[in-house]
Amino acid sequence: DAKTTQPPSMDCAEGRAANLPCNHSTISGNEYVYWYRQIHSQGPQYIIHGLKNNETNEMASLIITEDRKSSTLILPHATLRDTAVYYCIVRVNVRDDKIIFGKGTRLHILP
Amino acid sequence: DSGVTQTPKHLITATGQRVTLRCSPRSGDLSVYWYQQSLDQGLQFLIQYYNGEERAKGNILERFSAQQFPDLHSELNLSSLELGDSALYFCASSVGPTAPLHFGNGTRLTVT
Repeated sequence: DAKTTQPPSMDCAEGRAANLPCNHSTISGNEYVYWYRQIHSQGPQYIIHGLKNNETNEMASLIITEDRKSSTLILPHATLRDTAVYYCIVRVNVRDDKIIFGKGTRLHILP
Repeated sequence: DSGVTQTPKHLITATGQRVTLRCSPRSGDLSVYWYQQSLDQGLQFLIQYYNGEERAKGNILERFSAQQFPDLHSELNLSSLELGDSALYFCASSVGPTAPLHFGNGTRLTVT
C-alpha cells in the first residue's frame, strides 16, 4: 500500500502558484519524498525529491515540514501544460526498491 | 524524451495468448522497474531488477514473468492472457538506488 495521502483533485488558475499537499505521517528517517507527474497516458515524469531540506529546481519547489510528516509541491506559475496527475511517494533508497505509487492528485489548471 | 525505450507501443492479442514486452533502459542505468496501469487505475508495481538480478517483487501474477539481460534490457512476459490484463505497461530505469526513476512511454496491451 502507498504510504502517502493526497487529495484526489485540485483546481488552480493559470498563472497562479499550484500548491499540492501530501501527507506521509509514517515516514521513516531514511525515506525520501519524491514527486512525479503523469500527463494523460504518458509515462510518469520525475519532478523533484528531498529528504528533509526544502528543494528547488527548474520545475518546482518541495517544502517538507520539520517533522517530515507532510510536504507540499509548489508549481510557481502554473500553465495549462501542468494539467496532470501528481504522485507523491516515499522511498527508501536501497537496491531492493519496491516503489509504490498511490492514486495521486489530479490537478486541473483553469484558463 | 526520457531515454527509456519500450516496444511495441501497441499490442492487440486474444485471450489465452502470450506476449513479450521489451524495455531498453537509459544508457548507464542498472535498475529496471515494471508497472501496470489499468484504465483509470494507479500505477501497480510489478517487479524490479538491478544489474540482472531480481530485487523486489510486487503483486505480479504467476502468469507474468520478467528478466533483465546482460546488456541490461528487460523483457516482461505475459502468458495465458485474460481480458483483465488489458492495460498500459510501463518500464522505468534508474542509475541506482538514490536516483529518480525515468519512465518510458509504455506499451498499451489490448486483450480481446
